[in-house]
Amino acid sequence: QKEVEQDPGPLSVPEGAIVSLNCTYSNSAFQYFMWYRQYSRKGPELLMYTYSSGNKEDGRFTAQVDKSSKYISLFIRDSQPSDSATYLCAMADTGRRALTFGSGTRLQVQP
Amino acid sequence: GAGVSQTPSNKVTEKGKYVELRCDPISGHTALYWYRQSLGQGPEFLIYFQGTGAADDSGLPNDRFFAVRPEGSVSTLKIQRTERGDSAVYLCASSLTFDGRTLFVPQQFFGPGTRLTVL
Repeated sequence: QKEVEQDPGPLSVPEGAIVSLNCTYSNSAFQYFMWYRQYSRKGPELLMYTYSSGNKEDGRFTAQVDKSSKYISLFIRDSQPSDSATYLCAMADTGRRALTFGSGTRLQVQP
Repeated sequence: GAGVSQTPSNKVTEKGKYVELRCDPISGHTALYWYRQSLGQGPEFLIYFQGTGAADDSGLPNDRFFAVRPEGSVSTLKIQRTERGDSAVYLCASSLTFDGRTLFVPQQFFGPGTRLTVL
């Protein structure tokens, strides 16, 4: 079993929809939780990160962490065709700087 | 440049050959990371440099893989006796080590990657 599980999709939604992306994890030492966006043939781009549990909002994006359930989410409001990409969750603990990634969810926003 | 750069962008080689992949991090970033991303998967950690030294090389799959960062800036990932299973995108990332408030800076900035194909 992988340390971080993520549904690969693809997830197809109409423009303007609210998108929910999720990851589960097994390592209780993870303290930092990140969401990266990756366009085809590009490197991952950091969208948001949160420390420990709670919510964080940045524009149309909201990240939630529930450490008791080992479950994290990214919500995208008013989705746009330009949001079409693969979304990767990533996690780290303070004792080790390496990031552990999920396999990514491919999102398609239809105009 | 403003971001992490990697060269070459694509590399095709034959099984058994030696390859070198280069990474130029963001200026001022003391931490540098190498990851490998196979098709349909997330990046997998290979090695982390703090300055010139490899602080964590636990992700290197075997002794055919080696990386250096002799002057604490540019890094080279070296793969000997390449195998078809080494085909993947090799990503480099860099980060600050200390941002003035915390000794752990989780934000890593990635380059575009080198797509390695071993025939």
